[in-house]
Amino acid sequence: NAGVTQTPKFRVLKTGQSMTLLCAQDMNHEYMYWYRQDPGMGLRLIHYSVGEGTTAKGEVPDGYNVSRLKKQNFLLGLESAAPSQTSVYFCASRGTAYNEQFFGPGTRLTVL
Amino acid sequence: GQQVMQIPQYQHVQEGEDFTTYCNSSTTLSNIQWYKQRPGGHPVFLIQLVKSGEVKKQKRLTFQFGEAKKNSSLHITATQTTDVGTYFCAGRAGSYQLTFGKGTKLSVIP
Repeated sequence: NAGVTQTPKFRVLKTGQSMTLLCAQDMNHEYMYWYRQDPGMGLRLIHYSVGEGTTAKGEVPDGYNVSRLKKQNFLLGLESAAPSQTSVYFCASRGTAYNEQFFGPGTRLTVL
Repeated sequence: GQQVMQIPQYQHVQEGEDFTTYCNSSTTLSNIQWYKQRPGGHPVFLIQLVKSGEVKKQKRLTFQFGEAKKNSSLHITATQTTDVGTYFCAGRAGSYQLTFGKGTKLSVIP
């Protein structure tokens, strides 16, 4: 099993550009999450999904959109990137043993 | 909304010294989880505590959940260089979401 994978690993955008981050999991998990991690801020939840076709807002959803068209994939979109969105983005899926979260390797995004 | 406070933010220890990080929630939790993130890596699940007053051990790591289920701690005995990283607590108060603390970054001086 590959677990949780994220693409791309790194990306540099200019202000106003758009992009989509892809998260995929092969563990058949229902719940998936997108977090951003900034220095000294810990992990903050952007959006999450409790199943295929469903999404919900987290703590910091502004400026982001998500889609969960297939159970194994969770996409995070930035329609018009801003420098404040420079961050490391982690995707996670929730296991069933302890409801633990399995994180992907992260995407480091820089917005100039 | 639910808040999870974690202290200290940073801790530098000599190899062999003990280390403790503390987590406090503004609300009663149904459970608390701990994660470790190595430098440049992603968070990895360590353990979950569910019961009031629960204590669990993993080798040199001891995890405690408070009686009121609002606080928790992680204690590492005799730190090693392999313990370096950021330790996060994450509390769940009955929803689909976990609320993460800001983490404690541990540095171990050989």
